[in-house]
Amino acid sequence: AQSVTQPDIHITVSEGASLELRCNYSYGATPYLFWYVQSPGQGLQLLLKYFSGDTLVQGIKGFEAEFKRSQSSFNLRKPSVHWSDAAEYFCAVGPISGGGADGLTFGKGTHLIIQP
Amino acid sequence: KAGVTQTPRYLIKTRGQQVTLSCSPISGHRSVSWYQQTPGQGLQFLFEYFSETQRNKGNFPGRFSGRQFSNSRSEMNVSTLELGDSALYLCASKSQTNTEAFFGQGTRLTVV
Repeated sequence: AQSVTQPDIHITVSEGASLELRCNYSYGATPYLFWYVQSPGQGLQLLLKYFSGDTLVQGIKGFEAEFKRSQSSFNLRKPSVHWSDAAEYFCAVGPISGGGADGLTFGKGTHLIIQP
Repeated sequence: KAGVTQTPRYLIKTRGQQVTLSCSPISGHRSVSWYQQTPGQGLQFLFEYFSETQRNKGNFPGRFSGRQFSNSRSEMNVSTLELGDSALYLCASKSQTNTEAFFGQGTRLTVV
């Protein structure tokens, strides 16, 4: 069965500092990989996704993520965080079929706190 | 283009009652998925509908059910509510050509 591990429950970063959120996955085949962000009381917004090709993917709000097959990782990065980046971040894995017959499997999330 | 709309946003129900939540997908999207989000279990997949047919179901008891209408709108129903059903229920829609799931703002269900 597929699984997603986000080892950091909370991360505190100073505004302007760089950020890396970790994500490891377990999946039987090459999966689709996603990062979502959730602000309090809100739904999920897609930051970026990886399907194939270039292992470094760019997303919205200045985020990027790197897929490393050998490490089964898909870490999210941002060179300089802003106070508005404070939120919950979820890594997710989905089926390669693309048909969406299986649902997304999410990690437990990383709560990002920004210090002024 | 309107996003995914979930109604109601908030619900308070009593144990033993049943509840119906509604989700209107993005226009043209035929796939609708439902997720339960709780502090303890995180985000868990409930089920997915496509063209009025349930394509897949997560590991939830039969008290959780859903359906999809010909206009792609979907409802999920929870019968005999338990305290543990208190959660944020999220709906996501997806087009056939794009694997990106667009989420609604969710329905916050509180069971007392």
